[in-house]
Amino acid sequence: RKEVEQDPGPFNVPEGATVAFNCTYSNSASQSFFWYRQDCRKEPKLLMSVYSSGNEDGRFTAQLNRASQYISLLIRDSKLSDSATYLCVVESNFGNEKLTFGTGTRLTIIP
Amino acid sequence: DAGVTQSPTHLIKTRGQQVTLRCSPKSGHDTVSWYQQALGQGPQFIFQYYEEEERQRGNFPDRFSGHQFPNYSSELNVNALLLGDSALYLCASSLAGAQYFGPGTRLTVT
Repeated sequence: RKEVEQDPGPFNVPEGATVAFNCTYSNSASQSFFWYRQDCRKEPKLLMSVYSSGNEDGRFTAQLNRASQYISLLIRDSKLSDSATYLCVVESNFGNEKLTFGTGTRLTIIP
Repeated sequence: DAGVTQSPTHLIKTRGQQVTLRCSPKSGHDTVSWYQQALGQGPQFIFQYYEEEERQRGNFPDRFSGHQFPNYSSELNVNALLLGDSALYLCASSLAGAQYFGPGTRLTVT
């Protein structure tokens, strides 16, 4: 079983729609969780950290369920510029530890 | 404030050769991690350097080695290149927090 599992997609979603991504992780000792965004042939960029209480940044909402070892990302009112690959990322301890990435979910927003 | 920089941008090598990739961390960051990203996959952790020492290592053979300099910049060396080493090599820097990635070096082994 992979340490971090994501549905690779692709997700093709009309502009303005809401889209949700899910991710599961196998290491129950994992401490920190993130969503990164990666555009084609570019480096991953931190989108947001994920907390048990849930957190929101504009149109983006992330949620963590430690009991189920499940992480989610919700994008509301999707824009063409949201087209990218979204990487679910888990860190074994707090700060400066290795990141374990999922394979990524490819999202394309259709005009 | 410059972000993480990497050089070269692209590189083509032949099987059996050796390669050195370079990374300069974001200003103020003291930790450098290296990742390998094959096409269609997420990045895979190679190793991490802190205070000029290798602090953690992923499941990569000894052909992969590295170094960190007093100014926190880092090098990744790969010996005896294999075709399967073709990938995007990413450097990330951090300071007790989230990791920020450089643009990567795209290595092609022929």
